[in-house]
Amino acid sequence: AQSVTQLGSHVSVSEGALVLLRCNYSSSVPPYLFWYVQYPNQGLQLLLKYTSAATLVKGINGFEAEFKKSETSFHLTKPSAHMSDAAEYFCAVTDSGYSTLTFGKGTMLLVSP
Amino acid sequence: DAGVTQSPTHLIKTRGQQVTLRCSPKSGHDTVSWYQQALGQGPQFIFQYYEEEERQRGNFPDRFSGHQFPNYSSELNVNALLLGDSALYLCASSWGTGGEGSYEQYFGPGTRLTVT
Repeated sequence: AQSVTQLGSHVSVSEGALVLLRCNYSSSVPPYLFWYVQYPNQGLQLLLKYTSAATLVKGINGFEAEFKKSETSFHLTKPSAHMSDAAEYFCAVTDSGYSTLTFGKGTMLLVSP
Repeated sequence: DAGVTQSPTHLIKTRGQQVTLRCSPKSGHDTVSWYQQALGQGPQFIFQYYEEEERQRGNFPDRFSGHQFPNYSSELNVNALLLGDSALYLCASSWGTGGEGSYEQYFGPGTRLTVT
């Protein structure tokens, strides 16, 4: 069975500061990993994905994530936070051929001026 | 190119009633998955439809059922509603049965169901 753990239900940063959102996964087979963002009262938007190619993955809006197999981690980073980054972020994993996703509980990113 | 669309946007039902939610996949996609997102939680997989059949199912009771039509659109039906069914229901579409493209799911805006 696969699972995802997101450390920290809330993360607060100042505008311009580094963003680091943590995600650890467990999977019995090589995983595919994703980060999604959800703005209030909206659906999920894909930020980036890891599908066994390069371990450092670049996504939209300046976000990137690094797959570290030895640490079973896929942390999301952004060098400089913007106010518009305030949203909830979900890490997800799939190890099946049918693309069904297992999500973490989410991390709310708060950005202060 | 239209993305994934869902209807209705919001819905209020009473305990014991039945509800039907609808989803149209992104153009070119043939697979539809449904997720339930309770307040403050991550989405949980309900089931997935491909070629008009349920291909995979998550840990949800039989009160949750679905259908996929020949044009790939899908319905989610919930019978005998409980207060705990109140949630945002998300539809996601993808393409194919293997390869990288099948792993990327596109989500709709969701239907907010409130059960009173």
